[in-house]
Amino acid sequence: DAGVTQSPTHLIKTRGQHVTLRCSPISGHKSVSWYQQVLGQGPQFIFQYYEKEERGRGNFPDRFSARQFPNYSSELNVNALLLGDSALYLCASSLATGGGDTIYFGEGSWLTVV
Amino acid sequence: RKEVEQDPGPFNVPEGATVAFNCTYSNSASQSFFWYRQDCRKEPKLLMSVYSSGNEDGRFTAQLNRASQYISLLIRDSKLSDSATYLCVVTPYGGATNKLIFGTGTLLAVQP
Repeated sequence: DAGVTQSPTHLIKTRGQHVTLRCSPISGHKSVSWYQQVLGQGPQFIFQYYEKEERGRGNFPDRFSARQFPNYSSELNVNALLLGDSALYLCASSLATGGGDTIYFGEGSWLTVV
Repeated sequence: RKEVEQDPGPFNVPEGATVAFNCTYSNSASQSFFWYRQDCRKEPKLLMSVYSSGNEDGRFTAQLNRASQYISLLIRDSKLSDSATYLCVVTPYGGATNKLIFGTGTLLAVQP
């Protein structure tokens, strides 16, 4: 069975541009979360979606947005990119929400902003 | 104050050594506790859950002290393949999310 898949795996953007990152959860999983991991730090929670509704939001500016589609895949969008947005963006999926479920991470999307 | 604090290391140990990692968390209402392992430039993977009664998985032992808000991980008989970053993780109490709160991670380098 396929795990959590993310695309693209690597990308380079210029300051001020926009980026869209995509995630397909494990089959049967209805919850998708996004995390940002800056070099030397642990992952930081950005969003969680469950059944296409936002269930949690971390301390990130409004430039960050996300959505979940009927097939439970998800997109993370970041507008007006800053150099500090350079990071590994991780998608995680789980069966449901509210704690207790094992959470599985994708391999991530490496974003470099120049 | 960070919600989850860890010594970033690096911990350089010889093969066969026993190494212990510690972690503290600030919110006494935190609900669940985990150790994740992250290899260089890879995604985090669940190593083990942590319970107050302590739990062991082979060479790995994890312990939770709720009174002190302290979590530990002990690795016995270190192998070269144990070299990685070990992330201490907690989940907040209640709510409708399964948000994970990560520490900065502790880097372990096992030397031959």
